Amino acid sequence: TQLLEQSPQFLSIQEGENLTVYCNSSSVFSSLQWYRQEPGEGPVLLVTVVTGGEVKKLKRLTFQFGDARKDSSLHITAAQPGDTGLYLCAGAEGNNFNKFYFGSGTKLNVKP
Amino acid sequence: KAGVTQTPRYLIKTRGQQVTLSCSPISGHRSVSWYQQTPGQGLQFLFEYFSETQRNKGNFPGRFSGRQFSNSRSEMNVSTLELGDSALYLCASSRNRGGLSNTEAFFGQGTRLTVV
Repeated sequence: TQLLEQSPQFLSIQEGENLTVYCNSSSVFSSLQWYRQEPGEGPVLLVTVVTGGEVKKLKRLTFQFGDARKDSSLHITAAQPGDTGLYLCAGAEGNNFNKFYFGSGTKLNVKP
Repeated sequence: KAGVTQTPRYLIKTRGQQVTLSCSPISGHRSVSWYQQTPGQGLQFLFEYFSETQRNKGNFPGRFSGRQFSNSRSEMNVSTLELGDSALYLCASSRNRGGLSNTEAFFGQGTRLTVV
C-alpha cells in the first residue's frame, strides 16, 4: 500500500496545454518534495515545501502544499516536450527527515 | 561540485549470487539513503546511514544490508540474489545538519541490477 497516492498515473498532452498532478495521503508530512526523473537517471529535486498552504513557483511550475500538510499539487503551465518525465512526490514524516515515502509517480508525455 | 556517484551503472548477476553496490555522496553530505525502484512497486526505502550508523530501515529482508565508511561513502550488499531483486538501486545524499532547509536529498544515477 502506497502512503502517497499520485494521480493521474499517466498523462499525455499536447505542447502548450496546462496540467495538474496531485499527491494525496492520509498522513501528515513535515515536508514534501517533488522530483522529476528521466529514463535511466535518478530523480532530480524540483522543490521542497514545508509550510501548510505554501505555494512555490519555479518558472512554469507551481507547487502547492495543502493546509493540513497531507496533500500537494504540481501545476505546469504551457507544457513543453522538455517537461516529459516521471514526476514523483515524496514526503518525510515527523522529525525523520531522511526517510522519504515516495508516491507511485505520474508519467507525463508532452507531444510537440 | 560533483554530484552523487554510484558504481557500477549496470550489473548482471545470477540467482543465488551476492552483489555489492557503491555510492559516493556529495562532499560534505553525511547522510546516505538507499532506495529500490521497480516498475511495480515504485521507489521504496531500504535504509539510511549517518556517521557510519544505520539510522533508519525500511521493510526489506535481511539479505539487504549496507554500511557507511568514515568518509561517508556507502555500500549496499544483497546476498542470495532472487529474480525479484532486479531493479534500479538509487542512492541519495543529504547534509542533515538539522533544520528543514538541510533535508533535501540528491540522487545518483543509480545502478541497474539484473538478476538472471
